[in-house]
Amino acid sequence: DAGVIQSPRHEVTEMGQEVTLRCKPISGHNSLFWYRQTMMRGLELLIYFNNNVPIDDSGMPEDRFSAKMPNASFSTLKIQPSEPRDSAVYFCATRGSGRLETQYFGPGTRLLVL
Amino acid sequence: SQQGEEDPQALSIQEGENATMNCSYKTSINNLQWYRQNSGRGLVHLILIRSNEREKHSGRLRVTLDTSKKSSSLLITASRAADTASYFCATPTNFGNEKLTFGTGTRLTIIP
Repeated sequence: DAGVIQSPRHEVTEMGQEVTLRCKPISGHNSLFWYRQTMMRGLELLIYFNNNVPIDDSGMPEDRFSAKMPNASFSTLKIQPSEPRDSAVYFCATRGSGRLETQYFGPGTRLLVL
Repeated sequence: SQQGEEDPQALSIQEGENATMNCSYKTSINNLQWYRQNSGRGLVHLILIRSNEREKHSGRLRVTLDTSKKSSSLLITASRAADTASYFCATPTNFGNEKLTFGTGTRLTIIP
C-alpha cells in the first residue's frame, strides 16, 4: 500500500491566490482528516469526513477554507483567498472503521503564502 | 487549550540512555495513543494503550497510563540517533474515537 498521498508537497503562492491541496486516502479507510501544523498553534484538526460525509468542521478557521470529499479515494482542501497567516504544513490522515483504529498521516503539504 | 500536554517540551540525551516523556490530559478517555514525527514528515503511530491497561510494551517502547491522574508516560530505552523526533500523545475527543486531539509534543534529541 502506498499510504496516504498528498499533493503538492510544497506550495508557494501570493496572497489572494487560491490554493488547493489534495489527498488520496489509504484504500478501505473510511475516515479522513485534515490537520494544520504551525509552531505557534501545534497540530490542529480542521475537518474530518466519515464515509465521504463531513462530520465535524468546527476547526475550519473561516469561510476562506473549504473541504470536499467527492468519493472515497479523493479529498481536497481549498483556501480562497489565501493569506500569509495560512502558511503552515497541512496534513491529511486517514483511519479505518474499527473502534481502536489509529490514524495514518500523509507526508504533508508545506504551504507558504507571500 | 489542547487535551494533551507533553512534558518536557524538549529533551536532549546521550545515545544509549533512556528517554521519558509525559503527557497529561483533561477528560475521561478510553484509549491514549503516542505518535512520532520526524522532521519534515507526517506523524507515525507508535502505540495505543487502552484505559483498562496500565502498561504496554512494544520493542524499546514502554507506555504507562494512570487514569486516576489523567497522565501517561512514554519511555524509550537504549535510545538511538534515529529516535530523534517529536513525540505526541493523542486522545479521542468523541464517542466514536475517530477524532483525536494531539498534545503539544516533546522534541527529543539523541546526541551520538
